[in-house]
Amino acid sequence: QKEVEQDPGPLSVPEGAIVSLNCTYSNSAFQYFMWYRQYSRKGPELLMYTYSSGNKEDGRFTAQVDKSSKYISLFIRDSQPSDSATYLCAMDYNQGGKLIFGQGTELSVKP
Amino acid sequence: EPEVTQTPSHQVTQMGQEVILRCVPISNHLYFYWYRQILGQKVEFLVSFYNNEISEKSEIFDDQFSVERPDGSNFTLKIRSTKLEDSAMYFCASTPQSTNEKLFFGSGTQLSVL
Repeated sequence: QKEVEQDPGPLSVPEGAIVSLNCTYSNSAFQYFMWYRQYSRKGPELLMYTYSSGNKEDGRFTAQVDKSSKYISLFIRDSQPSDSATYLCAMDYNQGGKLIFGQGTELSVKP
Repeated sequence: EPEVTQTPSHQVTQMGQEVILRCVPISNHLYFYWYRQILGQKVEFLVSFYNNEISEKSEIFDDQFSVERPDGSNFTLKIRSTKLEDSAMYFCASTPQSTNEKLFFGSGTQLSVL
């Protein structure tokens, strides 16, 4: 079983739609959960950071962590064409910076 | 906004040659990292570096790889004898303290080994 699994998509939605992106993981030792956005030929850019379980909201973005189910989600409200990118989930056991990434989900938001 | 700078953006080399990938981390950052992403695959951790020492390295980071902070601003990744399978996008990252919350990535160097 892979440590972190993420549906690679591609996912295509109309502008204004609510987008739901998900990752599952197998190792209960993960404590830190992140979502990164990656545009083509660019480095990952941190969007959301969560420690342990719970929800976190930042503008149009909401991150959810359910440690009991080993499942994390990112919701994007009122999606915009500029949100078109690959979204990567990442996890860490501690603060060491050795992130374990998911495959990434390619998102396309159509005008 | 400060950013991690990587040069060159694209490097082509022949198999068996040595390459050095260069990074300038954000100026007040103390922890440095290299990751790589083979086309179509996940971003993978290679190595972390703090206080002029390797803190942790992955199985990928074998004896062909080395890292160095030769001066107060640069952080380099050297591959001694490149293989075809080293072709990938290499990302440098840095953070000001021992936290993954402020981990900033550079735009990457695309290494092509022919």
